[in-house]
Amino acid sequence: GNSVTQMEGPVTLSEEAFLTINCTYTATGYPSLFWYVQYPGEGLQLLLKATKADDKGSNKGFEATYRKETTSFHLEKGSVQVSDSAVYFCALSWSNAGGTSYGKLTFGQGTILTVHP
Amino acid sequence: GAGVSQSPSNKVTEKGKDVELRCDPISGHTALYWYRQSLGQGLEFLIYFQGNSAPDKSGLPSDRFSAERTGGSVSTLTIQRTQQEDSAVYLCASSLLGGREPQHFGDGTRLSIL
Repeated sequence: GNSVTQMEGPVTLSEEAFLTINCTYTATGYPSLFWYVQYPGEGLQLLLKATKADDKGSNKGFEATYRKETTSFHLEKGSVQVSDSAVYFCALSWSNAGGTSYGKLTFGQGTILTVHP
Repeated sequence: GAGVSQSPSNKVTEKGKDVELRCDPISGHTALYWYRQSLGQGLEFLIYFQGNSAPDKSGLPSDRFSAERTGGSVSTLTIQRTQQEDSAVYLCASSLLGGREPQHFGDGTRLSIL
């Protein structure tokens, strides 16, 4: 079945540090890949997405590139801020070869990021 | 516009009781999803409604769990004879067309079984 593996946290960084959160996946067919973020006390929000190989998703200074050869979708940000402190979830939804997309998401276990001033 | 609304935000109940959790999706969204977030299991898919199609119930953990979506809008997740392991945050999400469309999540219902 489909699965998503994220690097274990928690991750603690100083403001303006470089961030990488690793995410790898296992899926047949043609998955779409997502990063969701959960800020303290808030619901899950879509951060970025990529729907095919070599696509790069980006938002709020975060980027992730869909790498089919390494089955990865690592999240990066060049300079983190205290306001980026949150839980980050990598997720996939699966599509078959015919292009039918099954919207249910399979999530990684989440990575807690804390950024200190 | 309004986002996905879930009620109640918190629910505490005794083991063995039945509970109903409600989700109001974003107006016009044809796809609706239920997920469960717990410490031990992370975020798990439960059930998926897409338009008038039969729902995908493949994530429901037992026959004590059921859900319906009336009129293509509001959905209710029902848990019968609750057990302590049902304690979790139940999240509802909706998307415009399903498939690869981004899902918009509600704030969840925190369910605690005593």
